[in-house]
Amino acid sequence: EDKVVQSPLSLVVHEGDTVTLNCSYEVTNFRSLLWYKQEKKAPTFLFMLTSSGIEKKSGRLSSILDKKELFSILNITATQTGDSAVYLCAVEGNTGNQFYFGTGTSLTVIP
Amino acid sequence: EAQVTQNPRYLITVTGKKLTVTCSQNMNHEYMSWYRQDPGLGLRQIYYSMNVEVTDKGDVPEGYKVSRKEKRNFPLILESPSPNQTSLYFCASRLRLSSYNEQFFGPGTRLTVL
Repeated sequence: EDKVVQSPLSLVVHEGDTVTLNCSYEVTNFRSLLWYKQEKKAPTFLFMLTSSGIEKKSGRLSSILDKKELFSILNITATQTGDSAVYLCAVEGNTGNQFYFGTGTSLTVIP
Repeated sequence: EAQVTQNPRYLITVTGKKLTVTCSQNMNHEYMSWYRQDPGLGLRQIYYSMNVEVTDKGDVPEGYKVSRKEKRNFPLILESPSPNQTSLYFCASRLRLSSYNEQFFGPGTRLTVL
C-alpha cells in the first residue's frame, strides 16, 4: 500500500530556532515529492523534488530528497511566527495521476 | 489572476439531499483533482481528471461522482450525502500530467452533512 508518513506530528519552537520536518514514503513508481504549507486555508506550494540529493532552497526554507532511503526533509532556519502552519508532504506516483499526502506536521512558532 | 475557485465555501445539508460543489480554474490546466481533508487522515484523493471527458477514481471515490465536460470546470457531485462525508474538500489543478509542476489548490469547501 502506498503511503507517506510525516514526523513529528506537531512541533512547538521559539522564534529564531531551526526546525527539521521529516517525510518518508513508500510509493510505487515514485515521480516527485512536493512540500506544501497550509495556514487554515488551501495548501500553498513550497518545493518540488524529483532527483535525489538536490537541495531546493527559498530564503530560510530548504529541502532535500534521498531517493535511496525514501525520505525528504524540510528545514526552516531562523523561524518566525509567520512560519506557524501545517506542513504537508505529498508524493506523486505512477504516471503522475495520483498524489499521496502525509497527515502533516503542525508547527507553532512562539514569539 | 490565476486561480482555482470553489463554490460554495461552506455548506450544511441533510442526509440524502443531492448537492454539487463547483470547481473552476482559469489557467487552462489539463489536470484537475478533488481531495477531502479529515483530521488525522490528511488529504485523500477522491477523483481526478486528466483532460476533458477523462476521469478516474482516486483513493476514496465511494459516494462521489464527477464530470469534466469543459476544461475549466470539474464539479463534485454527492448524489446522496451521508454524515461520513462531512469534511473539508479541496479542488486542485495542474498544467498537465506529463510535466513536472505543482498542483494549485482552491480555497476549500467545508461540508457538514447532518
